[in-house]
Amino acid sequence: AQTVTQSQPEMSVQEAETVTLSCTYDTSESDYYLFWYKQPPSRQMILVIRQEAYKQQNATENRFSVNFQKAAKSFSLKISDSQLGDAAMYFCAYRSLPSSGSARQLTFGSGTQLTVLP
Amino acid sequence: GAGVSQSPSNKVTEKGKDVELRCDPISGHTALYWYRQRLGQGLEFLIYFQGNSAPDKSGLPSDRFSAERTGESVSTLTIQRTQQEDSAVYLCASRQAVLAGSYEQYFGPGTRLTVT
Repeated sequence: AQTVTQSQPEMSVQEAETVTLSCTYDTSESDYYLFWYKQPPSRQMILVIRQEAYKQQNATENRFSVNFQKAAKSFSLKISDSQLGDAAMYFCAYRSLPSSGSARQLTFGSGTQLTVLP
Repeated sequence: GAGVSQSPSNKVTEKGKDVELRCDPISGHTALYWYRQRLGQGLEFLIYFQGNSAPDKSGLPSDRFSAERTGESVSTLTIQRTQQEDSAVYLCASRQAVLAGSYEQYFGPGTRLTVT
């Protein structure tokens, strides 16, 4: 079974600064997907960024980028030019590749609460 | 179009009572998931529906938990004889068929269940 670990329960960053959230995972699979989700107080889970493990290039989405280290099983999220609206709980998640009969459910870490200071 | 909706938004129930939680997926999404999120924790997978196939119930924590889905429409998650440890936010997510090329799960706002 896969596991996802987020070792930082809380992080804070000054507005306009950069912050990096850590995530490590454990799997015996060679190919898979990794995700970062944002959950504001509204509880709505919002997909921030995704990475296919077979791709060596790190994914980027505007101010959000990842540092994917496959050998180290590490998948950190970097938020540049932090904004007040970035304040939320951030979850790292793992998903196996599609296979016959597979539920393809997401396996989540325990989350990192990000505070953005004005 | 409309996103995933869930009802009720909040539910307070007494220990021992049964509760039903509802999820309306995005129209046309064949896959539907239920997750549980305990306070301060990540999401735990409960159950998965894909079209008319038999559901994957491997995440259900006990036989007090059950879920139904008719075709590709509404799903209900039922918890019988609720216990205080069932208090959590229950999130539903839907996804297009894999053949459509999408693997993204779209989440609803969740139902916060409090068992007193």
